[in-house]
Amino acid sequence: AQSVTQLGSHVSVSEGALVLLRCNYSSSVPPYLFWYVQYPNQGLQLLLKYTSAATLVKGINGFEAEFKKSETSFHLTKPSAHMSDAAEYFCAVSAPGAGNMLTFGGGTRLMVKP
Amino acid sequence: ETGVTQTPRHLVMGMTNKKSLKCEQHLGHNAMYWYKQSAKKPLELMFVYNFKEQTENNSVPSRFSPECPNSSHLFLHLHTLQPEDSALYLCASSPPQGTSSYEQYFGPGTRLTVT
Repeated sequence: AQSVTQLGSHVSVSEGALVLLRCNYSSSVPPYLFWYVQYPNQGLQLLLKYTSAATLVKGINGFEAEFKKSETSFHLTKPSAHMSDAAEYFCAVSAPGAGNMLTFGGGTRLMVKP
Repeated sequence: ETGVTQTPRHLVMGMTNKKSLKCEQHLGHNAMYWYKQSAKKPLELMFVYNFKEQTENNSVPSRFSPECPNSSHLFLHLHTLQPEDSALYLCASSPPQGTSSYEQYFGPGTRLTVT
């Protein structure tokens, strides 16, 4: 079985500051990992994914995430926050061979202050 | 239309009504999902269909009844709902197992309010 923990249900940063959203996972096999973003009253949009290739993954809107096996982490970062980044972010894990099921974290709401 | 579409986007219904939510995917996928997203609660997987066959029912009450007539369409039939069923209902689809890394593509959701 796999699980995902997102530390911090709310994160607030100033515009132009570094964004760091934390995600830790547990999985009995090497996982696939995903970050999704959800804007108000919309569905989830895939930001980026890790599928056992490069450990540093670049996604859309300037976001990237690094897979660290030793720390069982997949934290999401962006060097400089924009007001338009304000949204809810979800980390998810899938175990290869366990079907096409995703396990989601509880989400982190990112607020960007002007 | 591209991606995953859901209709209606907003729905208000009384507890004695019967309504249906519709989802359509234009991505050539073979797996489809229903999720429930309530305020201050994690995303809850409700049902999974693979190649039109239901492969997962996450202990969902029988007042929610899914239907998957083909790999592109998914319905959620609703009857005698409770106020606590008010939520955003999200549909998603994904490619078949073994063909990708299992990412799911989501529709915009239906905001359901039960009065």
